[in-house]
Amino acid sequence: QSVLTQPPSASGSPGQSVTISCSGSSSDIGGYDSVSWYQHHPGAAPRLVIYGVNKRPSGVPTRFSGSKSGNTASLTVSGLQADDEADYYCTSYAGNNDYVFGTGTKVTVL
Amino acid sequence: QVQLVQSGDEVTKAGASVKVSCKTSGYTFSNYGVTWVRQAPGQGLEWMGWISVFNGDTTYAQKFRDRVIMTSDTYTSTAYVELRSLRSDDTAVYYCARVSDTNGYYRPLIEDAFDIWGQGTRVTVSS
Repeated sequence: QSVLTQPPSASGSPGQSVTISCSGSSSDIGGYDSVSWYQHHPGAAPRLVIYGVNKRPSGVPTRFSGSKSGNTASLTVSGLQADDEADYYCTSYAGNNDYVFGTGTKVTVL
Repeated sequence: QVQLVQSGDEVTKAGASVKVSCKTSGYTFSNYGVTWVRQAPGQGLEWMGWISVFNGDTTYAQKFRDRVIMTSDTYTSTAYVELRSLRSDDTAVYYCARVSDTNGYYRPLIEDAFDIWGQGTRVTVSS
């Protein structure tokens, strides 16, 4: 299984927006509308923030949004807050009951 | 509320096996699968595989296919992952998470995503 490619880091000032990309292939991201994103604070369990490319679970602020174009998915966090500083991972269904994670992006709130 | 509670941290030796449990509550266990994800020190999240609680089918990531066994016990609503022939690079925090299961008849709102996670179990492998 291949790994989805994310930029190692991204940053923004409080109130600004940050967008993280997640690059895959036609076998995963491009083939299914099953991209999800996870927020991971060190020492805590990961938290689902986006599923099905652009859907938010109950309780996730509208500041979190997702999209997909071709083989690349994106997560945008608007109105950055201090608590948004975390690692973010994308995941995609890859067929045959397989899933694949992204390499992870560390978001820093300046 | 929905909870996944994992067993305690483990310290073990290279070549041995380790078995981590994930006790679930707050939902119908057989309506979902359980997936396992690990994070080695300084590394990203790595998907290991998942088990369909509905019919016991398993799918393992290629990397772990010859060393991992995932099981579930519907009487105790608990899932397990066992990793054999441990190496030092298996040192990691292991997480379980709930995932939708298309093998059964239940269709949850959230599909193909890991919506509820356990707290993690640290496994340390010493040589």
